[in-house]
Amino acid sequence: SQELEQSPQSLIVQEGKNLTINCTSSKTLYGLYWYKQKYGEGLIFLMMLQKGGEEKSHEKITAKLDEKKQQSSLHITASQPSHAGIYLCGADILIQGAQKLVFGQGTRLTINP
Amino acid sequence: EAQVTQNPRYLITVTGKKLTVTCSQNMNHEYMSWYRQDPGLGLRQIYYSMNVEVTDKGDVPEGYKVSRKEKRNFPLILESPSPNQTSLYFCASSLLFMGAQAFFGQGTRLTVV
Repeated sequence: SQELEQSPQSLIVQEGKNLTINCTSSKTLYGLYWYKQKYGEGLIFLMMLQKGGEEKSHEKITAKLDEKKQQSSLHITASQPSHAGIYLCGADILIQGAQKLVFGQGTRLTINP
Repeated sequence: EAQVTQNPRYLITVTGKKLTVTCSQNMNHEYMSWYRQDPGLGLRQIYYSMNVEVTDKGDVPEGYKVSRKEKRNFPLILESPSPNQTSLYFCASSLLFMGAQAFFGQGTRLTVV
């Protein structure tokens, strides 16, 4: 969606390297979600961030929310082949008074052995 | 088990032949929505519903219809499918407040020839 910009759109890293994916909103965030998806399959919920400064971890994946910048970053440490897939950020925002869950374009992550 | 169930998972149809993709949730969620996912575009919202008999257009509603006669069901109807509706479709549900985690169905891969 135009309200949520994700970068980069595609990322290729060597196994064992660290990486970061960013998600920036043009509107106030009420909740920020990170999902992972194997191509063509369902969405796997990773974590949800709600408060500014909040940081959560799931195995080697850490996400932070910068409320002032209306931005979230997803960081993977010591990447493994199992981390490959598409990462999507989603956010609850208000558009014309209506609650809406919008998504970024996604980041396709490839891990090279 | 809390879940969102979509059917069918895969569908190949011909142009102009009406079809319905069903979505059902067992969590008593008020909010339900449909998304389509296309390469490089992330998830785009088609329609959403904030409660029974309350539906509204998302970002890409053209060519689709929905209904919400019961809280648990939110079918997506394509009255006259066209090839540009070939896509991966997801249904989602959540409680109706900002920051409520959305639960997704497994997806329906639709091909219109």
